Amino acid sequence: GENVEQHPSTLSVQEGDSAVIKCTYSDSASNYFPWYKQELGKGPQLIIDIRSNVGEKKDQRIAVTLNKTAKHFSLHITETQPEDSAVYFCAYVKGGSEKLVFGKGTKLTVNP
Amino acid sequence: DTAVSQTPKYLVTQMGNDKSIKCEQNLGHDTMYWYKQDSKKFLKIMFSYNNKELIINETVPNRFSPKSPDKAHLNLHINSLELGDSAVYFCASGSRYGYTFGSGTRLTVV
Repeated sequence: GENVEQHPSTLSVQEGDSAVIKCTYSDSASNYFPWYKQELGKGPQLIIDIRSNVGEKKDQRIAVTLNKTAKHFSLHITETQPEDSAVYFCAYVKGGSEKLVFGKGTKLTVNP
Repeated sequence: DTAVSQTPKYLVTQMGNDKSIKCEQNLGHDTMYWYKQDSKKFLKIMFSYNNKELIINETVPNRFSPKSPDKAHLNLHINSLELGDSAVYFCASGSRYGYTFGSGTRLTVV
Protein backbone atom coordinates (compact mmCIF):
# COMPACT_ATOMS: atom_id res chain seq x y z
CA GLY A 1 0.00 0.00 0.00
CA GLU A 2 0.91 3.61 -0.23
CA ASN A 3 -0.65 4.98 2.90
CA VAL A 4 0.94 6.51 5.92
CA GLU A 5 -1.38 6.85 8.89
CA GLN A 6 -0.76 9.91 11.04
CA HIS A 7 -2.18 10.54 14.52
CA PRO A 8 -3.54 12.61 16.08
CA SER A 9 -5.16 14.90 13.52
CA THR A 10 -5.25 17.73 16.06
CA LEU A 11 -3.19 18.27 19.19
CA SER A 12 -3.43 21.06 21.71
CA VAL A 13 -0.79 21.49 24.42
CA GLN A 14 0.22 24.09 26.97
CA GLU A 15 3.40 26.02 26.39
CA GLY A 16 6.31 24.12 27.87
CA ASP A 17 4.68 20.72 27.51
CA SER A 18 5.83 18.03 25.10
CA ALA A 19 4.02 17.03 21.91
CA VAL A 20 4.22 13.66 20.18
CA ILE A 21 2.91 12.82 16.71
CA LYS A 22 2.96 9.26 15.41
CA CYS A 23 2.95 7.76 11.94
CA THR A 24 2.61 4.22 10.67
CA TYR A 25 3.57 3.10 7.19
CA SER A 26 3.19 -0.11 5.22
CA ASP A 27 5.95 -0.13 2.59
CA SER A 28 8.80 -2.19 4.05
CA ALA A 29 11.13 -0.95 1.27
CA SER A 30 10.96 2.61 2.60
CA ASN A 31 14.23 3.93 3.99
CA TYR A 32 13.73 7.66 4.47
CA PHE A 33 11.26 9.39 6.77
CA PRO A 34 11.08 13.20 6.85
CA TRP A 35 8.88 15.53 8.85
CA TYR A 36 7.58 18.81 7.47
CA LYS A 37 6.12 21.83 9.26
CA GLN A 38 3.58 24.02 7.48
CA GLU A 39 2.80 27.43 8.93
CA LEU A 40 -0.33 29.31 7.90
CA GLY A 41 -0.10 30.63 4.36
CA LYS A 42 3.27 29.00 3.67
CA GLY A 43 4.60 25.90 2.02
CA PRO A 44 5.72 22.87 4.05
CA GLN A 45 9.28 23.10 5.37
CA LEU A 46 11.54 20.16 6.18
CA ILE A 47 12.38 20.22 9.90
CA ILE A 48 13.97 16.83 10.56
CA ASP A 49 14.41 13.49 8.86
CA ILE A 50 15.65 10.01 9.66
CA ARG A 51 17.00 7.16 7.58
CA SER A 52 16.31 3.53 8.21
CA ASN A 53 19.77 2.71 9.57
CA VAL A 54 19.18 4.97 12.58
CA GLY A 55 16.71 4.58 15.44
CA GLU A 56 16.66 8.14 16.74
CA LYS A 57 17.77 11.59 15.71
CA LYS A 58 17.71 14.84 17.69
CA ASP A 59 17.94 18.49 16.76
CA GLN A 60 17.56 20.79 19.75
CA ARG A 61 13.92 20.50 20.92
CA ILE A 62 12.90 18.18 18.11
CA ALA A 63 13.54 14.44 17.90
CA VAL A 64 12.38 11.67 15.63
CA THR A 65 12.32 7.96 16.46
CA LEU A 66 11.96 5.10 14.02
CA ASN A 67 10.93 1.52 14.65
CA LYS A 68 11.43 -0.30 11.33
CA THR A 69 10.18 -3.62 12.65
CA ALA A 70 6.87 -2.13 13.73
CA LYS A 71 6.87 0.30 10.76
CA HIS A 72 6.21 3.40 12.76
CA PHE A 73 8.01 6.65 13.43
CA SER A 74 7.30 9.56 15.71
CA LEU A 75 8.04 13.26 16.10
CA HIS A 76 8.73 14.55 19.59
CA ILE A 77 8.78 18.26 20.40
CA THR A 78 9.87 19.21 23.90
CA GLU A 79 9.39 22.52 25.73
CA THR A 80 6.83 23.62 23.17
CA GLN A 81 6.49 27.30 22.31
CA PRO A 82 3.63 29.20 20.63
CA GLU A 83 5.70 29.47 17.45
CA ASP A 84 5.62 25.65 17.21
CA SER A 85 1.91 25.98 16.34
CA ALA A 86 1.53 24.69 12.77
CA VAL A 87 0.46 21.66 10.76
CA TYR A 88 3.04 18.86 10.87
CA PHE A 89 3.30 16.22 8.17
CA CYS A 90 5.13 12.94 8.30
CA ALA A 91 6.22 11.40 5.03
CA TYR A 92 8.11 8.49 3.58
CA VAL A 93 9.75 7.73 0.28
CA LYS A 94 7.95 4.97 -1.55
CA GLY A 95 10.38 2.10 -2.13
CA GLY A 96 11.92 2.05 -5.59
CA SER A 97 10.58 5.47 -6.54
CA GLU A 98 11.25 9.16 -6.19
CA LYS A 99 7.81 9.69 -4.71
CA LEU A 100 7.35 11.26 -1.29
CA VAL A 101 4.05 10.18 0.30
CA PHE A 102 2.64 12.44 3.01
CA GLY A 103 0.50 11.71 6.02
CA LYS A 104 -2.71 13.70 6.45
CA GLY A 105 -1.17 16.16 8.86
CA THR A 106 -1.48 17.09 12.54
CA LYS A 107 -2.58 20.55 13.54
CA LEU A 108 -0.58 21.43 16.63
CA THR A 109 -1.71 24.33 18.79
CA VAL A 110 0.53 25.50 21.61
CA ASN A 111 -1.41 27.60 24.10
CA PRO A 112 0.52 30.34 25.94
CA ASP B 1 16.41 35.45 -2.75
CA THR B 2 13.40 33.17 -2.95
CA ALA B 3 14.48 29.57 -3.54
CA VAL B 4 11.25 28.27 -5.11
CA SER B 5 8.91 30.94 -6.37
CA GLN B 6 5.40 30.46 -7.70
CA THR B 7 3.15 32.90 -9.46
CA PRO B 8 0.47 33.92 -8.98
CA LYS B 9 -0.10 33.54 -5.24
CA TYR B 10 -3.86 33.79 -5.65
CA LEU B 11 -5.96 32.91 -8.68
CA VAL B 12 -9.73 33.30 -8.87
CA THR B 13 -11.35 32.23 -12.09
CA GLN B 14 -14.60 30.99 -13.55
CA MET B 15 -15.47 27.41 -14.43
CA GLY B 16 -14.43 26.46 -17.93
CA ASN B 17 -11.49 28.85 -18.11
CA ASP B 18 -7.87 27.83 -18.81
CA LYS B 19 -5.15 29.03 -16.45
CA SER B 20 -1.44 28.55 -15.83
CA ILE B 21 0.71 28.58 -12.71
CA LYS B 22 4.42 29.20 -13.03
CA CYS B 23 7.24 27.89 -10.87
CA GLU B 24 10.93 28.67 -10.84
CA GLN B 25 13.73 27.42 -8.59
CA ASN B 26 17.23 28.83 -8.19
CA LEU B 27 18.62 25.97 -6.09
CA GLY B 28 20.20 24.09 -8.96
CA HIS B 29 18.03 21.02 -8.34
CA ASP B 30 17.41 18.59 -11.19
CA THR B 31 13.94 17.53 -10.01
CA MET B 32 10.78 19.57 -9.60
CA TYR B 33 7.31 18.58 -8.42
CA TRP B 34 3.71 19.74 -8.32
CA TYR B 35 1.59 18.88 -5.29
CA LYS B 36 -2.10 19.61 -4.66
CA GLN B 37 -3.32 20.41 -1.16
CA ASP B 38 -7.06 20.14 -0.65
CA SER B 39 -9.25 21.86 1.92
CA LYS B 40 -8.43 19.17 4.48
CA LYS B 41 -4.70 19.89 4.08
CA PHE B 42 -4.01 16.58 2.36
CA LEU B 43 -0.88 16.84 0.18
CA LYS B 44 -0.88 14.69 -2.94
CA ILE B 45 1.76 14.55 -5.65
CA MET B 46 0.63 15.29 -9.16
CA PHE B 47 3.76 15.40 -11.33
CA SER B 48 7.51 15.24 -11.14
CA TYR B 49 10.10 16.27 -13.71
CA ASN B 50 13.79 15.42 -13.66
CA ASN B 51 15.89 17.62 -15.91
CA LYS B 52 12.91 18.38 -18.14
CA GLU B 53 11.78 14.74 -18.32
CA LEU B 54 8.48 13.58 -16.81
CA ILE B 55 9.16 10.87 -14.19
CA ILE B 56 6.01 10.85 -12.05
CA ASN B 57 2.54 11.29 -13.45
CA GLU B 58 -0.15 10.42 -10.94
CA THR B 59 -3.77 9.81 -11.77
CA VAL B 60 -4.54 13.38 -12.68
CA PRO B 61 -7.16 14.47 -15.25
CA ASN B 62 -5.81 15.19 -18.72
CA ARG B 63 -6.90 18.78 -18.22
CA PHE B 64 -3.73 19.23 -16.17
CA SER B 65 -0.58 19.48 -18.24
CA PRO B 66 2.86 20.25 -16.82
CA LYS B 67 5.55 21.83 -18.92
CA SER B 68 9.24 22.14 -18.13
CA PRO B 69 11.15 24.41 -20.54
CA ASP B 70 14.34 23.88 -18.54
CA LYS B 71 15.29 22.27 -15.27
CA ALA B 72 14.76 25.48 -13.33
CA HIS B 73 11.14 25.90 -14.42
CA LEU B 74 8.04 23.75 -14.12
CA ASN B 75 4.72 25.26 -15.11
CA LEU B 76 1.25 23.83 -14.68
CA HIS B 77 -1.48 24.50 -17.20
CA ILE B 78 -5.08 23.63 -16.41
CA ASN B 79 -7.78 23.50 -19.08
CA SER B 80 -11.54 23.72 -18.59
CA LEU B 81 -11.34 24.46 -14.88
CA GLU B 82 -13.88 22.79 -12.61
CA LEU B 83 -15.11 23.63 -9.10
CA GLY B 84 -13.25 20.61 -7.73
CA ASP B 85 -9.94 22.02 -8.92
CA SER B 86 -10.11 24.61 -6.16
CA ALA B 87 -7.12 23.93 -3.90
CA VAL B 88 -3.66 25.18 -3.05
CA TYR B 89 -1.04 24.02 -5.55
CA PHE B 90 2.55 23.73 -4.38
CA CYS B 91 5.63 23.55 -6.50
CA ALA B 92 8.74 21.95 -4.98
CA SER B 93 12.25 21.12 -6.01
CA GLY B 94 14.90 18.82 -4.63
CA SER B 95 15.21 15.11 -4.26
CA ARG B 96 13.44 12.46 -2.25
CA TYR B 97 15.86 13.34 0.57
CA GLY B 98 14.62 16.86 0.95
CA TYR B 99 12.17 19.05 -0.87
CA THR B 100 12.00 22.82 -0.85
CA PHE B 101 8.44 23.98 -1.36
CA GLY B 102 7.18 27.21 -2.84
CA SER B 103 4.65 29.26 -0.90
CA GLY B 104 1.72 27.93 -2.91
CA THR B 105 -0.91 29.18 -5.34
CA ARG B 106 -4.44 29.29 -3.98
CA LEU B 107 -6.75 28.52 -6.89
CA THR B 108 -10.45 29.28 -6.47
CA VAL B 109 -12.85 28.26 -9.22
CA VAL B 110 -16.23 29.97 -9.07
